[in-house]
Amino acid sequence: KAGVTQTPRYLIKTRGQQVTLSCSPISGHRSVSWYQQTPGQGLQFLFEYFSETQRNKGNFPGRFSGRQFSNSRSEMNVSTLELGDSALYLCASSFSQSSYNEQFFGPGTRLTVL
Amino acid sequence: AQSVSQHNHHVILSEAASLELGCNYSYGGTVNLFWYVQYPGQHLQLLLKYFSGDPLVKGIKGFEAEFIKSKFSFNLRKPSVQWSDTAEYFCAVNTNAGKSTFGDGTTLTVKP
Repeated sequence: KAGVTQTPRYLIKTRGQQVTLSCSPISGHRSVSWYQQTPGQGLQFLFEYFSETQRNKGNFPGRFSGRQFSNSRSEMNVSTLELGDSALYLCASSFSQSSYNEQFFGPGTRLTVL
Repeated sequence: AQSVSQHNHHVILSEAASLELGCNYSYGGTVNLFWYVQYPGQHLQLLLKYFSGDPLVKGIKGFEAEFIKSKFSFNLRKPSVQWSDTAEYFCAVNTNAGKSTFGDGTTLTVKP
């Protein structure tokens, strides 16, 4: 079974630009969560989608948004990029919304904002 | 809101030494607990999880963790570490579907 895939793997943008990151979950998984990983803040939860609906949201500004498609693939968008948005963005999928399901993580997209 | 604390930011051990990484969480209700590991250059992957039953859970590669409800703790242990255990370890709590709260991580360096 293929794992969680994320594209692109690396991205360099400048301040003020916007970016879209993509995540394809494991086949059959319907829950997709996004996390921001930085050396100083660890893994911070961004949001979670299940059946095309955002079910949970973390404490990030409205510049961070996402969506999920009917095939469970998800995209995350960051508008008006700031230097502090430089991070590794991780996508994780799980079979259902149950909180005892483990999450399977992708390799991440490394975003650098100059 | 729930939070997770990992007491050790960086642990350095020699091979064959015993390991214990601390994890405490704050949440008053039922929790599901996880330890994830991130080997250099690899994805985060599950080491072990606890959601009910025997509070001592065993995971992959000889790791185990004990859930102590009264102490809000879920410490990770391994009797004898190997060089290949060098990685970053994350404790996580999940109380609400796809939203996990992670600790800041502990970097383990095992000297051969």
